Amino acid sequence: DTGVSQDPRHKITKRGQNVTFRCDPISEHNRLYWYRQTLGQGPEFLTYFQNEAQLEKSRLLSDRFSAERPKGSFSTLEIQRTEQGDSAMYLCASTPPGTDNSPLHFGNGTRLTVT
Amino acid sequence: QKEVEQDPGPLSVPEGAIVSLNCTYSNSAFQYFMWYRQYSRKGPELLMYTYSSGNKEDGRFTAQVDKSSKYISLFIRDSQPSDSATYLCATPRRAGYALNFGKGTSLLVTP
Repeated sequence: DTGVSQDPRHKITKRGQNVTFRCDPISEHNRLYWYRQTLGQGPEFLTYFQNEAQLEKSRLLSDRFSAERPKGSFSTLEIQRTEQGDSAMYLCASTPPGTDNSPLHFGNGTRLTVT
Repeated sequence: QKEVEQDPGPLSVPEGAIVSLNCTYSNSAFQYFMWYRQYSRKGPELLMYTYSSGNKEDGRFTAQVDKSSKYISLFIRDSQPSDSATYLCATPRRAGYALNFGKGTSLLVTP
């Protein structure tokens, strides 16, 4: 168990550019979650996958955001036409199959800075 | 009203003090409650997981749930400088399996 891995750790981009982040969950964890965290706030739910199916999306996930998990393993989160308000820490978490209330296992996040 | 409310602090205490961190939640149907600890520039890590009402103890940490008042607490005994972090309370979302988090309380334990 190597934990949830996120790449890159830090991304600096100019406003209007597209960015893509990757998350590798703990192996055999079938549920994967994306959260966003801004300074002084708790993590805010963005979206959730069970295997390759995206089952829930938050209203925070605007049309510029898209997430995929094509083979039910790693996931990507893409932000198109980035805005300064997108600057945040993007956290990925996973849980194993089983009960509905398994604790989330988080990665160390990707910190996005939009200049 | 947010589903989970938490005083962001910051809270500063001397080493050895007892720390009390608190959250309130809005949905009386919630059964599971979690506390996460987050160090600077790291992801949150699970600290305590409780079900329904009552206390749960793990070493220097005690989690307490009062469902009648929809209040959850985390107590840290004999606090250490290594406890300096942000503490996040979390409850399940109404739909789906994800969690709702409070804003987090920033704790600083000074030597």
